[in-house]
Amino acid sequence: RKEVEQDPGPFNVPEGATVAFNCTYSNSASQSFFWYRQDCRKEPKLLMSVYSSGNEDGRFTAQLNRASQYISLLIRDSKLSDSATYLCVVDSSASKIIFGSGTRLSIRP
Amino acid sequence: GAVVSQHPSRVICKSGTSVKIECRSLDFQATTMFWYRQFPKQSLMLMATSNEGSKATYEQGVEKDKFLINHASLTLSTLTVTSAHPEDSSFYICSATPGGGTEAFFGQGTRLTVV
Repeated sequence: RKEVEQDPGPFNVPEGATVAFNCTYSNSASQSFFWYRQDCRKEPKLLMSVYSSGNEDGRFTAQLNRASQYISLLIRDSKLSDSATYLCVVDSSASKIIFGSGTRLSIRP
Repeated sequence: GAVVSQHPSRVICKSGTSVKIECRSLDFQATTMFWYRQFPKQSLMLMATSNEGSKATYEQGVEKDKFLINHASLTLSTLTVTSAHPEDSSFYICSATPGGGTEAFFGQGTRLTVV
């Protein structure tokens, strides 16, 4: 079993739609969780950290469920510019950051 | 935010030659840096953890004699792809996290093409 698993997609949704991604992790001792965004042929950039209480940043909401060992990302009112690959990232220990396979999102006009 | 600089951004080399990729933390010291490889339409795969002043830790299936890592200072880690072959063609990217922080900052990546 992979340490971090994501649905690879692609998700193809119309502009304005709400879309959600899930990511599961296997190491129950993991402490830090993040969502990164990667545009084609570019380096990943931090979208948001994920906290136990859940957090929201504009149209983006991230949640962590420790009991079930998954994190989620919700995008509301999606924009064309949201088209990218979204990477679930787990800091499984103090010195190891593991990426999920990424979920490709394509927003159509 | 913190800055990680990676060089070169793109390199084409002949099969059998070696290529060195540099990763520098410009405004913070990094005792640990990470090297990833990304094939087209796939996610980043951790290759190795670079530790300043000691040997790198390689992930299972990554040949340490082929991918030489040197982390001689707190701001520089290098990855050398030795005797490169076409199957080594990939996007290589490094990351580092400033001490006390949790966000990983990435270099711009190096697109290696072996012909």
